[in-house]
Amino acid sequence: KQEVTQIPAALSVPEGENLVLNCSFTDSAIYNLQWFRQDPGKGLTSLLLIQSSQREQTSGRLNASLDKSSGRSTLYIAASQPGDSATYLCAVILNDYKLSFGAGTTVTVRA
Amino acid sequence: GAVVSQHPSWVICKSGTSVKIECRSLDFQATTMFWYRQFPKQSLMLMATSNEGSKATYEQGVEKDKFLINHASLTLSTLTVTSAHPEDSSFYICSAQGKGNTGELFFGEGSRLTVL
Repeated sequence: KQEVTQIPAALSVPEGENLVLNCSFTDSAIYNLQWFRQDPGKGLTSLLLIQSSQREQTSGRLNASLDKSSGRSTLYIAASQPGDSATYLCAVILNDYKLSFGAGTTVTVRA
Repeated sequence: GAVVSQHPSWVICKSGTSVKIECRSLDFQATTMFWYRQFPKQSLMLMATSNEGSKATYEQGVEKDKFLINHASLTLSTLTVTSAHPEDSSFYICSAQGKGNTGELFFGEGSRLTVL
């Protein structure tokens, strides 16, 4: 069974600092890996999708890397802003399109 | 990106009643939709896979007679929580696979169910 772990569980940084969020998974036979953002009481917003053949994806201040062999993905958020405060979820997509989610990293960016 | 809409966004009901949650793909056809449940401060847990025109596939530990899923069209899946109890109070989220082979999934806004 695929296990997805996110470290740290919570992170608080001053505005402007770069954020590094880690995700690890136990089974490297994944189809894709997807990073989401979830605001309190809200649904999920897809941030980045990395296909299994890719090593990284970038969108604006966000960059996500994927190392399937070591079972790791890292989400980088450059020059953090208070609006980046949210919970970030990593999800591994299996070949049948089912997702296994990590528990998330709750980020607080202090103004 | 593709849009998935859920309705209602929140609902309060009395214990013993049934509640239906709709999940619609607004600008694409989704042969497969997924239903998740999220308890406070926990991650999402897959409940079932909903396939258009066939029976849903439930994850282990999820009661199929309690959580009825119907996927009658390529743009609509419904989750009915039957005879709801307070322990069913949770945040329910659906997702649908977008077009193409990227496997990217798009999520609804979620429905918060509170059972009194």
